[in-house]
Amino acid sequence: NADVMQNPRHLVRRRGQEARLRCSPMKGHSHVYWYRQLPEEGLKFMVYLQKENIIDESGMPKERFSAEFPKEGPSILRIQQVVRGDSAAYFCASSPGTGGSEQYFGPGTRLTVT
Amino acid sequence: KQEVTQIPAALSVPEGENLVLNCSFTDSAIYNLQWFRQDPGKGLTSLLLIQSSQREQTSGRLNASLDKSSGRSTLYIAASQPGDSATYLCAVSSSSASKIIFGSGTRLSIRP
Repeated sequence: NADVMQNPRHLVRRRGQEARLRCSPMKGHSHVYWYRQLPEEGLKFMVYLQKENIIDESGMPKERFSAEFPKEGPSILRIQQVVRGDSAAYFCASSPGTGGSEQYFGPGTRLTVT
Repeated sequence: KQEVTQIPAALSVPEGENLVLNCSFTDSAIYNLQWFRQDPGKGLTSLLLIQSSQREQTSGRLNASLDKSSGRSTLYIAASQPGDSATYLCAVSSSSASKIIFGSGTRLSIRP
């Protein structure tokens, strides 16, 4: 697939439930980044992963949030016990890594916590 | 710590005008700078990417400049059209494989 894919595009969860957001990078890309955009705010970096490794998680909240990028399959951003403040748009980006630095963004997943 | 600031936060101009959006960053040691467009409720569209060794990039009616030493970039839009209405985001990265730091954006409205 030529584009970065994210699913679902929209996700509604009740407080206390778990949210799983998926990101499939562009073909040949081995680096994945997650960003969060809170309502009426700019995008903030959350985590940077390469296959099977977390490279930089300096933007991840200390609790309830985790991310993985397994050897096979998409990258997953997991939010446990969601709260209303987690309502936001979550964007994934991918880059090829060596030989190319430009990040290509997916369409985002809009999470609403009710 | 890198910080990216965009001024103004919002701008409304009549159709046909040329306009300039401003971006400043606190750490001049950047790897590249990128301008994005975001429509309401949508994802990001990359407009222009300027490597740290470059001074400007052009695409159609858009021209972006970069002055690393002063920590500034501008996005120039010529002959604005209502379809240009969107939020424009400036973003910098410090290395070839690192997070992007975004500004808060300029919300642009072009009046017909």
